[in-house]
Amino acid sequence: GQQLNQSPQSMFIQEGEDVSMNCTSSSIFNTWLWYKQDPGEGPVLLIALYKAGELTSNGRLTAQFGITRKDSFLNISASIPSDVGIYFCAGQLKGTSGSRLTFGEGTQLTVNP
Amino acid sequence: DGGITQSPKYLFRKEGQNVTLSCEQNLNHDAMYWYRQDPGQGLRLIYYSQIVNDFQKGDIAEGYSVSREKKESFPLTVTSAQKNPTAFYLCASRSGSTDTQYFGPGTRLTVL
Repeated sequence: GQQLNQSPQSMFIQEGEDVSMNCTSSSIFNTWLWYKQDPGEGPVLLIALYKAGELTSNGRLTAQFGITRKDSFLNISASIPSDVGIYFCAGQLKGTSGSRLTFGEGTQLTVNP
Repeated sequence: DGGITQSPKYLFRKEGQNVTLSCEQNLNHDAMYWYRQDPGQGLRLIYYSQIVNDFQKGDIAEGYSVSREKKESFPLTVTSAQKNPTAFYLCASRSGSTDTQYFGPGTRLTVL
């Protein structure tokens, strides 16, 4: 099956710093999604990207859909303590059986006040 | 309140017993999904359903079963054939207008 390589696996930063994480795949996707998960909760959608080359912002978050459709990155600017959590990328592909998501293994973000 | 509900939040079962996890949505979404998450790992697809009375196996369907008799409901049964059932189970539904999936709060299943 398809695999997504998400990096880094974990990050420890100081409040106020910028953060960058990315995902790469050997296969192309129609859509890239970025989610954040707090401990014991379901993932929450942060940003959806629909076109190759698309750059989209949501507050302090910025994400891009790679030109090759095989990668995406997420940047968080001026981090704050509530940014702590696990960030997942997900690639979506539409097939004859419908749309499916493939998830990266997540980036654990720790923000020190 | 619109959204996806999963119940219960925590579930304990003895080994060898079947258990059914509930997932309900009032978002009027056609497609629904079940994922399994193990510690430190991403989500893996168990089953999904694009419309009522139809469902497809995901990547790790062995030992699980589902039904989709109503648009709002997509219950997952973890059978005794599932060799390692202890995990965090997440249900999702997909918006047809934005083509994005939204998740419920999850059920943590522990098999003793």
